[in-house]
Amino acid sequence: GENVEQHPSTLSVQEGDSAVIKCTYSDSASNYFPWYKQELGKRPQLIIDIRSNVGEKKDQRIAVTLNKTAKHFSLHITETQPEDSAVYFCAASPGGGADGLTFGKGTHLIIQP
Amino acid sequence: DSGVTQTPKHLITATGQRVTLRCSPRSGDLSVYWYQQSLDQGLQFLIQYYNGEERAKGNILERFSAQQFPDLHSELNLSSLELGDSALYFCASSVSGQPSHNEQFFGPGTRLTVL
Repeated sequence: GENVEQHPSTLSVQEGDSAVIKCTYSDSASNYFPWYKQELGKRPQLIIDIRSNVGEKKDQRIAVTLNKTAKHFSLHITETQPEDSAVYFCAASPGGGADGLTFGKGTHLIIQP
Repeated sequence: DSGVTQTPKHLITATGQRVTLRCSPRSGDLSVYWYQQSLDQGLQFLIQYYNGEERAKGNILERFSAQQFPDLHSELNLSSLELGDSALYFCASSVSGQPSHNEQFFGPGTRLTVL
């Protein structure tokens, strides 16, 4: 089955700086890669996603890049703000049929004032 | 609010017992997914139902089962509970049966504590 590795497990950045979280996946058939943000005690919420026919996608301060050859994808957050502090999860979903998401272990992003 | 509801919010029970968790998907969503979140295992996919039929299975134990009813709500049954089953259980829903086509919306979760 699919295996998703996520790094780093904890990331501390100064407010206003950029943050980058990286994930790798194992199943070359995977074709959908969402990123979820989870605040303490809350539900995971989708912040951005990318499909395998696209190399990059941007939504305001958030961008995701995908390298299918290397089987890795990354989340980029620019001009970080205190409200960006949370746990971020990457996920992958194999194509070809219905299946649940395989999640990375999560990155705890801490924005230092 | 995602539109996905889960009950109960908290559940405390003893080892060996059986519990049922309930999920109502967003209006119009046909697919329901169950996930387990624990500190050591992270977020793990358990099972998916689409329009009443089981569509995919993940890391679901044999002691666990689920079903989706004609009104599309779903129940996750956990039996012979062990201490290690203590976790946050999320339900998610999407319009279609293929996660690559549609965003999954997560419910608020049920926190299960097994004593």
